Amino acid sequence: DSGVTQTPKHLITATGQRVTLRCSPRSGDLSVYWYQQSLDQGLQFLIQYYNGEERAKGNILERFSAQQFPDLHSELNLSSLELGDSALYFCASSLRAGVGYEQYFGPGTRLTVT
Amino acid sequence: GQNIDQPTEMTATEGAIVQINCTYQTSGFNGLFWYQQHAGEAPTFLSYNVLDGLEEKGRFSSFLSRSKGYSYLLLKELQMKDSASYLCAVRGEIKAAGNKLTFGGGTRVLVKP
Repeated sequence: DSGVTQTPKHLITATGQRVTLRCSPRSGDLSVYWYQQSLDQGLQFLIQYYNGEERAKGNILERFSAQQFPDLHSELNLSSLELGDSALYFCASSLRAGVGYEQYFGPGTRLTVT
Repeated sequence: GQNIDQPTEMTATEGAIVQINCTYQTSGFNGLFWYQQHAGEAPTFLSYNVLDGLEEKGRFSSFLSRSKGYSYLLLKELQMKDSASYLCAVRGEIKAAGNKLTFGGGTRVLVKP
């Protein structure tokens, strides 16, 4: 158990819908990361927040958005869902934002879009 | 751009040694990580290399050569529970002090009795 929690564990929804994934980092960690893992794409970095501010951005679609709240939990919002958005979404956290701080991954949310 | 290559799959026998290679081409380099991931589970941290050389941690060792853009993960005394995917990840160019990792596609290791 990494100490990172994610809810829900599973989510099944229809195309065109909007969902919110939630992540609570390990106690004391200030930085949160979101990753998408699909069978054909591997683990893809989406976005990073540090102490409430966006720090780095990866291949995140415009239909997706995220934020980190003052209590440091984070939410990833996915809208106008498409079949191709079906994937495992991982949240990770690290103590700081910089070099060398290992990232601890949560158990993931499995999203199925039908 | 970032490009990280590792073999798709490897098979080894229980008790043996397996070496998983990773080559990378990235804009900048600020560290290489290895993660283990069992099917459907979260990746778990194994090792971190930022300087050339070998880092040993129990049955697992990781090597880095920055000039060659090359790393390997060595798994010794293989156990059945080591059957998993092993992900190589590189932190490239630092932009605004971010900690973005780029992952390779992962190497699925199957340990046979």
